[in-house]
Amino acid sequence: AQTVTQSQPEMSVQEAETVTLSCTYDTSESDYYLFWYKQPPSRQMILVIRQEAYKQQNATENRFSVNFQKAAKSFSLKISDSQLGDAAMYFCAYRSVVYSGGGADGLTFGKGTHLIIQP
Amino acid sequence: ETGVTQTPRHLVMGMTNKKSLKCEQHLGHNAMYWYKQSAKKPLELMFVYNFKEQTENNSVPSRFSPECPNSSHLFLHLHTLQPEDSALYLCASDTGRGYGYTFGSGTRLTVV
Repeated sequence: AQTVTQSQPEMSVQEAETVTLSCTYDTSESDYYLFWYKQPPSRQMILVIRQEAYKQQNATENRFSVNFQKAAKSFSLKISDSQLGDAAMYFCAYRSVVYSGGGADGLTFGKGTHLIIQP
Repeated sequence: ETGVTQTPRHLVMGMTNKKSLKCEQHLGHNAMYWYKQSAKKPLELMFVYNFKEQTENNSVPSRFSPECPNSSHLFLHLHTLQPEDSALYLCASDTGRGYGYTFGSGTRLTVV
């Protein structure tokens, strides 16, 4: 089964600065999807960015970008020009391209990183 | 609002009660999911439904009973729960493996 590890329980950054959240995963598959989700205090999980493993180009969504290192099984999230509204829990998630049975068919999540924005 | 609605938002129930959580989506998604979110733990997948058929039960105790009457509605029936079942229960839906989920806001369940 795949596992997702977020080694930073909490990160703090000054407003307008850049912060990078780390995520590593373990898989024997060659093709898969990776996601970053944001969960603010309102509890609503919001998709921030997605990456397809067969694409070498790193995904970007406005101030959010990823550094996808397939060989290292690393998928970090960079937030540029941090804003107060970015304060939230951030979850990294993995999903197989094809369900091959034998386990739960859904997204596998890390434990999350709590991001604090200092004004 | 994301298009996935969960009710109630908060629920307090005794261990002998029976209650139900409801999830509704009108996004045209064909898959729906129940997840349990506890403090300091990753989200735990509980059940998966595709085209209203259950395709996954991730070793969930029988005191949790899901129901999916159609592709737009998903229920989680609760009975004789334990205090350790207190958590945030999230519903999600999607239309394809690579697109990611759309989540509801969750039901905060407290078992007393």
